[in-house]
Amino acid sequence: EAQVTQNPRYLITVTGKKLTVTCSQNMNHEYMSWYRQDPGLGLRQIYYSMNVEVTDKGDVPEGYKVSRKEKRNFPLILESPSPNQTSLYFCASSDKTSFWNIQYFGAGTRLSVL
Amino acid sequence: DAKTTQPNSMESNEEEPVHLPCNHSTISGTDYIHWYRQLPSQGPEYVIHGLTSNVNNRMASLAIAEDRKSSTLILHRATLRDAAVYYCILRGINNAGNMLTFGGGTRLMVKP
Repeated sequence: EAQVTQNPRYLITVTGKKLTVTCSQNMNHEYMSWYRQDPGLGLRQIYYSMNVEVTDKGDVPEGYKVSRKEKRNFPLILESPSPNQTSLYFCASSDKTSFWNIQYFGAGTRLSVL
Repeated sequence: DAKTTQPNSMESNEEEPVHLPCNHSTISGTDYIHWYRQLPSQGPEYVIHGLTSNVNNRMASLAIAEDRKSSTLILHRATLRDAAVYYCILRGINNAGNMLTFGGGTRLMVKP
């Protein structure tokens, strides 16, 4: 089954403790991205990657890092989480970078930073 | 990407058709109209997209006005599982980072 898998689904952590949210897709997609969803603000893109070793900032990249060493994986790293990073995070992938393509989303990771 | 306007919420009865409107008066000639939906506690899910002509797929139909300033997502027979937030999104050639810009969407409630 074609899917985007995020782990963990739920995470509670404390300020400053480094964490990684993993994202993996089994569709051989070149393009992957991370979004965060906050009430009243919709989904906002954090980082994206157009292929292996190619990453770029989205709208809200501050406080986040990403890497794309393999095509299937695109982890989101919070080196020093802060409470304002408490949010619902989604990973997405698609097979082309053209603007009409379909994006597939993971089920989400709900993060709470205390 | 140009802005879209959707009603905050709509209500439907189960097994009846639902028409979800979207206004996009500043759409450019190369903007595609995409619809995604987000079921409770899930990630967004692609529904349908189109450019000028009406489109049909197994999930829904998309009716696009002749001047392209508005469109309507049609669910032919709403089920309880269709209760979700529906997002109308324009995607054009200046879409840096292949980003989807989600507005507020329309929350569809389906009554049994």
